Amino acid sequence: SQQGEEDPQALSIQEGENATMNCSYKTSINNLQWYRQNSGRGLVHLILIRSNEREKHSGRLRVTLDTSKKSSSLLITASRAADTASYFCATVRGDSSYKLIFGSGTRLLVRP
Amino acid sequence: NAGVTQTPKFRVLKTGQSMTLLCAQDMNHEYMYWYRQDPGMGLRLIHYSVGEGTTAKGEVPDGYNVSRLKKQNFLLGLESAAPSQTSVYFCASSSLEGNIQYFGAGTRLSVL
Repeated sequence: SQQGEEDPQALSIQEGENATMNCSYKTSINNLQWYRQNSGRGLVHLILIRSNEREKHSGRLRVTLDTSKKSSSLLITASRAADTASYFCATVRGDSSYKLIFGSGTRLLVRP
Repeated sequence: NAGVTQTPKFRVLKTGQSMTLLCAQDMNHEYMYWYRQDPGMGLRLIHYSVGEGTTAKGEVPDGYNVSRLKKQNFLLGLESAAPSQTSVYFCASSSLEGNIQYFGAGTRLSVL
């Protein structure tokens, strides 16, 4: 069964706008990761946030983690057409240090 | 810097045929994984390996076998292909620390 569930399933925005995607999970985690998948390609790691961290930044990406609500959000600021992709959250459970459990993803379309 | 390489990229099989998917990584990673991705879904773990000579079942192992005879290679076998195994297969690897996974480009398999 999938640990993470992303919301929304699909998102369409104009270039320059911000995009926010949310992820909820069910069990305690060691860390949570976000990956991007361009159409027809493999997944690419974006950012990792550990269970004792609340916020992390990487370039135009901002990730927050709320372990009390078992949720995370990914914010992409000043979006570009090249950000068009599917975004997946993946969790590493506290009892398994190496297995990732993926959500079903958010499909982001950034219109030029 | 190749990273994770999967062969073949595409394959069409008839029901009952067998085949082997090859994954090779050049990052000296201990952990390797095989996932399948079906339309509108996230990745589901088929089998994984925590080191040379070891394998373990993931979430959806039925109908698949794996081998890790060399640290850099992880093979996924289908002994008797079924239409339900039509999917895109991804291989990934990770190191002991951090468990960020690096993915191959995928193998698109159709079973007729």
